[in-house]
Amino acid sequence: GAGVSQTPSNKVTEKGKYVELRCDPISGHTALYWYRQSLGQGPEFLIYFQGTGAADDSGLPNDRFFAVRPEGSVSTLKIQRTERGDSAMYLCASRQGNTGELFFGEGSRLTVL
Amino acid sequence: KQEVTQIPAALSVPEGENLVLNCSFTDSAIYNLQWFRQDPGKGLTSLLLIQSSQREQTSGRLNASLDKSSGRSTLYIAASQPGDSATYLCAVEHNTDKLIFGTGTRLQVFP
Repeated sequence: GAGVSQTPSNKVTEKGKYVELRCDPISGHTALYWYRQSLGQGPEFLIYFQGTGAADDSGLPNDRFFAVRPEGSVSTLKIQRTERGDSAMYLCASRQGNTGELFFGEGSRLTVL
Repeated sequence: KQEVTQIPAALSVPEGENLVLNCSFTDSAIYNLQWFRQDPGKGLTSLLLIQSSQREQTSGRLNASLDKSSGRSTLYIAASQPGDSATYLCAVEHNTDKLIFGTGTRLQVFP
């Protein structure tokens, strides 16, 4: 596709469950970012991939959160033992190289009951 | 630690007004600054990117300026329209390859 694609657009789960969120970046973009946004706040950085490797995962809040990008394209954000505080919009973005304009997807809204 | 502040937090104006949205940041050693628009429940749309060596960028009715030394950027919207209603976010980038966002200005333009 022409833009960054994220699935699912909405996910409702129960506390304690496992969740996977998928991001398909713009074709050819080597850099991929995950951000988390709570209501009324700006996006907060979670993790950044350059190619297949995580160049910076300093924003992951704890070890329940993990992300992969095995082939340097699609990325999956994985959340184990979800908690109500994990409820937020999870945004993915990509760009060519590590500078320049960043393009965001429409986000995946996660609600943990 | 970089902190990005946006003022005002919310703004409601009649159609046709010219607007100024403000963004300030505490660490002036930035690579670039980017302005985004976000509609409710949606992702972010990039509006303007200003490199650290630039003073301003323009796109249609939008003009963004950057004063790196004072840690400020403004987004000027000319002749506002109801379709401009959205949240506007600014974000700065250092040599860490990641953007630090402000909390946004929520704009409502009424007919």
